[in-house]
Amino acid sequence: DVKVTQSSRYLVKRTGEKVFLECVQDMDHENMFWYRQDPGLGLRLIYFSYDVKMKEKGDIPEGYSVSREKKERFSLILESASTNQTSMYLCASSLRWTAQETQYFGPGTRLLVL
Amino acid sequence: KQEVTQIPAALSVPEGENLVLNCSFTDSAIYNLQWFRQDPGKGLTSLLLIQSSQREQTSGRLNASLDKSSGRSTLYIAASQPGDSATYLCAPRTGSTLGRLYFGRGTQLTVWP
Repeated sequence: DVKVTQSSRYLVKRTGEKVFLECVQDMDHENMFWYRQDPGLGLRLIYFSYDVKMKEKGDIPEGYSVSREKKERFSLILESASTNQTSMYLCASSLRWTAQETQYFGPGTRLLVL
Repeated sequence: KQEVTQIPAALSVPEGENLVLNCSFTDSAIYNLQWFRQDPGKGLTSLLLIQSSQREQTSGRLNASLDKSSGRSTLYIAASQPGDSATYLCAPRTGSTLGRLYFGRGTQLTVWP
């Protein structure tokens, strides 16, 4: 079974702090994704990566950066957290870019920025 | 940009009913379409994936159909159970080079005993 784990289920941070959200997958997947989910807005793609050290912007990259130094790990970084970044953050991975690919999701990190 | 709409936004039914959840999308040039389930406060679980060349896909009591040319997909749930209560999301994979998923806002389903 594919397993995608996220470092924290719940996180409380203060405005201006630097925040790291970690995601690890154990199935040698090439692609990894970060989404945020907000009520009434659905899931929105922040960044994705299709290889180590490669990254692509999604729909809402402002205020975020990412790092993928190892294939199994994809980190989302909030350089200076703001209250409007309070949200549920979901990480996902998929094997490769084929028509048959399925994305597998982690359990999510609920972030509260005070 | 792909726009995905799911109707209804919420549905509350008694146990045993057969259900229809609808998904429409604006860009018909899709690679595939996935249906996901999300339980409250949890991540997403993939239910079904339909290739762009397929018309339908079945898994147990779930059946998903795809009409790519009209930009529609439907998820049928037969003989609903309280354990089916969750939010159901549809996501067509669209894009020029690599493709990515675009999500609807989901249908929140409640099945009561």
